Amino acid sequence: DIQMTQSPSSLSASVGDRVTITCRASQEISSYLNWYQQRPGKAPKLLIYTASSLQSGVPSRFSGGGSGTDFTLTISSLQPEDFATYYCQQTDSFPLTFGGGTNVEIK
Amino acid sequence: QVQLVESGGGVVQPGRSLRLSCAASGFTFSSFSMHWVRQAPGKGLEWVALISYDGTHKYFADSVKGRFTISRDNSKSTLYLQMNSLRGDDTAVYYCARDPSRLGDYGFADNWGQGTLVTVSS
Repeated sequence: DIQMTQSPSSLSASVGDRVTITCRASQEISSYLNWYQQRPGKAPKLLIYTASSLQSGVPSRFSGGGSGTDFTLTISSLQPEDFATYYCQQTDSFPLTFGGGTNVEIK
Repeated sequence: QVQLVESGGGVVQPGRSLRLSCAASGFTFSSFSMHWVRQAPGKGLEWVALISYDGTHKYFADSVKGRFTISRDNSKSTLYLQMNSLRGDDTAVYYCARDPSRLGDYGFADNWGQGTLVTVSS
């Protein structure tokens, strides 16, 4: 199975900050990497698919990059509604696997 | 709009069975593959299973293989998860989610239900 490792596991940031979360796959997954946001008590929401494609309706301050084994999710200017947990997911092969999550907290 | 509503969760004893349902509306259910994803209390997301649009292709996480079965009734726009031989570590919120592809070759989930809680405890 492909292991997904996110870093950091948590971070504190202020409104307006630029934030970058990284995700590393245990083996090459091309661009089969997706990002989700989950607010407390809510279902996950798809942000980015195939590494860099922005899901419809998602603000343009979110962007994704990378390929192979190393990927990033960047929030260009953090907004109050962005404080949440973010997960990466590989869809290169079954079983599909998620990273452990990154909790973005208010500083 | 796309709506996915899970039901069937509750408290069940270890070793027993439970069937979850997910009622879909707002889209042509029979054209999309579907996922189950779970989240243990205070933990991260774990993918559980996927079924293709026509039910002919099914994939499972190692942790549930041989115990859980995924199925669908396209005439009722409903997805199911049959869970047998339940264990304490199956305790989680179970989400159904839509995959934008027919065969699951995209693999990501673009719409999610609100989840249903399954608690396995004696």
